[in-house]
Amino acid sequence: QKEVEQNSGPLSVPEGAIASLNCTYSDRGSQSFFWYRQYSGKSPELIMFIYSNGDKEDGRFTAQLNKASQYVSLLIRDSQPSDSATYLCAVRANAGKSTFGDGTTLTVKP
Amino acid sequence: DAGVIQSPRHEVTEMGQEVTLRCKPISGHNSLFWYRQTMMRGLELLIYFNNNVPIDDSGMPEDRFSAKMPNASFSTLKIQPSEPRDSAVYFCASSTNRAGSPLHFGNGTRLTVT
Repeated sequence: QKEVEQNSGPLSVPEGAIASLNCTYSDRGSQSFFWYRQYSGKSPELIMFIYSNGDKEDGRFTAQLNKASQYVSLLIRDSQPSDSATYLCAVRANAGKSTFGDGTTLTVKP
Repeated sequence: DAGVIQSPRHEVTEMGQEVTLRCKPISGHNSLFWYRQTMMRGLELLIYFNNNVPIDDSGMPEDRFSAKMPNASFSTLKIQPSEPRDSAVYFCASSTNRAGSPLHFGNGTRLTVT
């Protein structure tokens, strides 16, 4: 079992729709959870982080964390073509290593 | 804040040659990470340092790979001898030691071994 698993893609949604990205992790010692966005040929960039159970909203993005279920998700509301990218889920225990999932490729169609 | 700086951006070399990748982390960041990204294997952690000390090198594929961090502002990843299967994008990232700090990535080095 991989340490961090993301729903297999690719994921395609129409412009204006909600995109839902999911991630599960195996290490119960994980304390910090991150979503990175990576455009083709570019490096990953942080878009959201969450530490506590529940929801965290930032503009069109909402991260959800359920530590009991070891589940993290990212919702993108009013999806735009510029949101088309690969989204990477990462987990980190304390100040240690960050482990990444394989990513989910999202395409938003105009 | 200049961000994490990696060099070179692209490297093309022949099998058997030595390759050295360089990284300058963000000033004040205590942790430095080397990742490798391929289509087949995704983003893999090779090694990470905390306060210039290697903490976990379990991801280093084999003895051909070595990494050093002689001071807080510089790290190298060396491959000797290089092989075609080492072709990938190598990312360096840095962060603070605070729990929950995100990683800041450099632009990566695209390595092609022919």
